Amino acid sequence: GDSVTQMEGPVTLSEEAFLTINCTYTATGYPSLFWYVQYPGEGLQLLLKATKADDKGSNKGFEATYRKETTSFHLEKGSVQVSDSAVYFCALSDQGSSNTGKLIFGQGTTLQVKP
Amino acid sequence: EAGVAQSPRYKIIEKRQSVAFWCNPISGHATLYWYQQILGQGPKLLIQFQNNGVVDDSQLPKDRFSAERLKGVDSTLKIQPAKLEDSAVYLCASSLVASGNYEQYFGPGTRLTVT
Repeated sequence: GDSVTQMEGPVTLSEEAFLTINCTYTATGYPSLFWYVQYPGEGLQLLLKATKADDKGSNKGFEATYRKETTSFHLEKGSVQVSDSAVYFCALSDQGSSNTGKLIFGQGTTLQVKP
Repeated sequence: EAGVAQSPRYKIIEKRQSVAFWCNPISGHATLYWYQQILGQGPKLLIQFQNNGVVDDSQLPKDRFSAERLKGVDSTLKIQPAKLEDSAVYLCASSLVASGNYEQYFGPGTRLTVT
């Protein structure tokens, strides 16, 4: 079945450092890809998404490009802030015949940014 | 616009007891999802409703879990009897349409501890 694999955390960075969180997926169809973020004490929020190959999703300085050839959707940010400390989840949703909106999540990556 | 509401936020019960969680989705959202998030893992879909009908309950342990969405609005998820491995955060999400092209909005979750 479909699955998502994320790099293990925690990831600890200093403020203004460059961030990459790796995400790869396995899917039989043509999924939409998402990054969700969970700030401490809050619910999951959509950070960005991409719905087809070579699309780039972006929001709040974060970017991710849908790479079909490498089945990847890596999250990047050029300069992280302390306020970016959170758990980040990569997810997919099948757009094929079974397109129900169901999300399949990776295990999450904890990011800690130190001043 | 009000977000997805869930209650209670926290619940501690002993194994073999029963428990119920409540979710009120965003007004007008036809699709409602219940996810289970075990510590250190990504959320996993338990059941999906479209209005008051079940779309997907393939991952719901039906011998102990049940869910309903009367009148296509609020939903209740019940566990009876609870096991230690049911300790998790139970997330409710809603979306306008059951499709990967539509954002899912998550509630704050109910943290269940089974002792």
